[in-house]
Amino acid sequence: GAGVSQSPSNKVTEKGKDVELRCDPISGHTALYWYRQSLGQGLEFLIYFQGNSAPDKSGLPSDRFSAERTGGSVSTLTIQRTQQEDSAVYLCASSLGGARNTIYFGEGSWLTVV
Amino acid sequence: GQNIDQPTEMTATEGAIVQINCTYQTSGFNGLFWYQQHAGEAPTFLSYNVLDGLEEKGRFSSFLSRSKGYSYLLLKELQMKDSASYLCAVTTPGNQGGKLIFGQGTELSVKP
Repeated sequence: GAGVSQSPSNKVTEKGKDVELRCDPISGHTALYWYRQSLGQGLEFLIYFQGNSAPDKSGLPSDRFSAERTGGSVSTLTIQRTQQEDSAVYLCASSLGGARNTIYFGEGSWLTVV
Repeated sequence: GQNIDQPTEMTATEGAIVQINCTYQTSGFNGLFWYQQHAGEAPTFLSYNVLDGLEEKGRFSSFLSRSKGYSYLLLKELQMKDSASYLCAVTTPGNQGGKLIFGQGTELSVKP
């Protein structure tokens, strides 16, 4: 597609429920990234995919967080047993890969855990 | 460790010039990006520096000094629509795939 597409754009969930956030990267982009941004904070790296593999999962905050990517395209970030501190904007981004290629962001999925 | 510092907030007047500084301490360096983020929107790419010096792009310029671990974003002829958060981000050779390490962002308010 023309840009990085994320869904849902907004999600309100009850504490303890599981949520799935979806990202559709720019066509042809092999690298895909998930970041989290809490209110008034900077972007926090969560995980990076090259193709379908995730060589860097160093930012996932706990084992409640997982992500997968299939077909070298769409990725899903899953948060199990959500907690209130999980409330944030989850931003997906994609690039051609490598350190010098621009990373393009989606509009984000706003998650509120009540 | 990785550390990227920016001022939290700045205020400037419409039509003026503003410089937003960024200092970094990282394990290696492979490039520095500036992004603009309006409230409630995704970050959008502004500039990329990998060599020392000034990169100019219209009203926006970005400068890099690798020896000093320092960059700045210069915005000229400020407009009200420039009110946004400006994010400094660094890539390092040690990471894979070019993930960005972000600073906290500088919230710029442009006043009439």
